[in-house]
Amino acid sequence: EPEVTQTPSHQVTQMGQEVILRCVPISNHLYFYWYRQILGQKVEFLVSFYNNEISEKSEIFDDQFSVERPDGSNFTLKIRSTKLEDSAMYFCASSEVAGGSYEQYFGPGTRLTVT
Amino acid sequence: AQSVAQPEDQVNVAEGNPLTVKCTYSVSGNPYLFWYVQYPNRGLQFLLKYITGDNLVKGSYGFEAEFNKSQTSFHLKKPSALVSDSALYFCAVRDIDSGAGSYQLTFGKGTKLSVIP
Repeated sequence: EPEVTQTPSHQVTQMGQEVILRCVPISNHLYFYWYRQILGQKVEFLVSFYNNEISEKSEIFDDQFSVERPDGSNFTLKIRSTKLEDSAMYFCASSEVAGGSYEQYFGPGTRLTVT
Repeated sequence: AQSVAQPEDQVNVAEGNPLTVKCTYSVSGNPYLFWYVQYPNRGLQFLLKYITGDNLVKGSYGFEAEFNKSQTSFHLKKPSALVSDSALYFCAVRDIDSGAGSYQLTFGKGTKLSVIP
C-alpha cells in the first residue's frame, strides 16, 4: 500500500538555524499538507499546497516558514530561523484530489528538537 | 471556527470487551468527520469518515463510529477489543461550509487506548 514518507525521523538543531523537513507524498496525490504537534498538545494545521502554490495557511505559518515542491516527488517544509517553540512533531499529509470529503494520508512524522 | 474535543486522555478496556472512544465537535456549518489511529513510530492512519448519509459508519479493522448531530458527537466503537488495537486515536473535523480551497482538518488531542489482555 502506498505511503507518505518523511525524512529525517528526528532532527536536532540549534536555535536560529535553518531546517528543511522532507516529505514524499503518495505519487498520484495532488494536495499536500503540513501539520505539527507540540508534545502533549493537539495536531495543528500549518499549510496546504496545490498546483504549486499555497492554498491555505494558518496563523502559525508565518514568514519563518516556507514550502516547496522542488521536483515531481518531494514536498519540503523550511523553517528559516528556528525557535525553541518550533520543537514539535511535524507531519506531512497528502490527498488524492482537492475536496474536503477526501481523507488525508499522513507520514510518520519528523520530530524536530530545537536547543 | 471548528474544534474537536476528546474528553478522555486514556481509555483502558479488557480484551474482548466493547470499546468506545469519545469525540465531540463544533462547527458553524455541517461537518465532515474523521478518525485516525497512530501506532508507535508510525503516521496517522485513516480509519473511517462520515460525510453524509447513514449515521453509522463502518471502517477498517472492525471499527465503526456513530454520528449524532443533536449531540455533536462522533464516538468511535468496536464490539470486541483486541490487544493490537492499543494505540493513540485522533478525531478530526472539517466544516463543509468553510469555503472552497479550505481543506484543513482540525484534530482533537488524541485518546490513548490500552487493551489489557
